[in-house]
Amino acid sequence: DAGITQSPRHKVTETGTPVTLRCHQTENHRYMYWYRQDPGHGLRLIHYSYGVKDTDKGEVSDGYSVSRSKTEDFLLTLESATSSQTSVYFCAISDSGNNQPQHFGDGTRLSIL
Amino acid sequence: GENVEQHPSTLSVQEGDSAVIKCTYSDSASNYFPWYKQELGKRPQLIIDIRSNVGEKKDQRIAVTLNKTAKHFSLHITETQPEDSAVYFCAASFRGGADGLTFGKGTHLIIQP
Repeated sequence: DAGITQSPRHKVTETGTPVTLRCHQTENHRYMYWYRQDPGHGLRLIHYSYGVKDTDKGEVSDGYSVSRSKTEDFLLTLESATSSQTSVYFCAISDSGNNQPQHFGDGTRLSIL
Repeated sequence: GENVEQHPSTLSVQEGDSAVIKCTYSDSASNYFPWYKQELGKRPQLIIDIRSNVGEKKDQRIAVTLNKTAKHFSLHITETQPEDSAVYFCAASFRGGADGLTFGKGTHLIIQP
């Protein structure tokens, strides 16, 4: 399995609080991605990174920000969490990006009450 | 943006029979089509992928076919086994995955003993 660690694995928090999820990889892959998975929606791309300090928006980026200060870490931040952001969040990595597989971490289950 | 439709949402087959899951995509520029298997509570795992310059690819009991003209691709599983029971997701990307994947909503495959 690809060396991807997501933390925390589970989190329960309250509406309006800030939340940061971390994705750490040991593969030295250039590309990193954040997806959310909700029943009936499959996986949807939130943000992605194509290098240190290089990030871009995905399909459902509103309410989320990301940062990548070093190759191995990609952080996803919910500035002010809302109940609609209750979801399972998956990080994925890819070596070159172009036509190369994406491998997923184990996910973070986030509940916002 | 890209849109991926996946059918059926649930598929029940007898053990030993074949299963076929179909996906259509909207962006004719899409060139990379992976399939993921996800067991309950686990990460999505890549099982097979195909690039747009190839019409068919096989890996033991699994095969994927691509029809670029009709913009659809299919997953074929032969000689199904109980461990094939899972949710399967198709995905597409017009930049080979570099800026993320667009996923179908998933097919719950049930293998009946």
